[in-house]
Amino acid sequence: GDSVTQMEGPVTLSEEAFLTINCTYTATGYPSLFWYVQYPGEGLQLLLKATKADDKGSNKGFEATYRKETTSFHLEKGSVQVSDSAVYFCALGRSGQLTFGSGTQLTVLP
Amino acid sequence: DADVTQTPRNRITKTGKRIMLECSQTKGHDRMYWYRQDPGLGLRLIYYSFDVKDINKGEISDGYSVSRQAQAKFSLSLESAIPNQTALYFCATSDSMGYEQYFGPGTRLTVT
Repeated sequence: GDSVTQMEGPVTLSEEAFLTINCTYTATGYPSLFWYVQYPGEGLQLLLKATKADDKGSNKGFEATYRKETTSFHLEKGSVQVSDSAVYFCALGRSGQLTFGSGTQLTVLP
Repeated sequence: DADVTQTPRNRITKTGKRIMLECSQTKGHDRMYWYRQDPGLGLRLIYYSFDVKDINKGEISDGYSVSRQAQAKFSLSLESAIPNQTALYFCATSDSMGYEQYFGPGTRLTVT
């Protein structure tokens, strides 16, 4: 079945550092890929998405590229802020359902 | 007002008790979902509903039941709560594609 594997956390960075959170997936066919973010005490929110190979999703300075050859969808941001501290979830979508990775806790220190 | 609301936000109950978690949405979406979140396990799908007459089991439905009372309302019941059902529960809704899901704020359930 479908599965998503995320880089284990927690990840702690200083403000303005470069962020990468790795995500790889196992699936047949061509699923859609997503990053969701969960701020403290809140539900998940869609951060970005990509629906086909080589698509790049971007939002709020975050980017991820759908790489079919490496079955990856790594999340990157060039300069993180304290307000980016949250849990980030990679997810795979098929037939109207989402399969989530285990989440990566990011803490950004001032 | 929030698009997806959940009640209660926090609940402590005892083993063997019946408990219902409620979810309401104002987005006009047909699809609704219940997930549980456990540390290190991400979110796992319990049940989902693509319209009022369509209810489907998810990955971890044992010990849970649901009711879709209306397009806007989807409740989750634990018929006889047990301690390993202690978790954070989220309701979500989506449009017909199902991928951009809108989550409620969650219900923290503790079973003692």
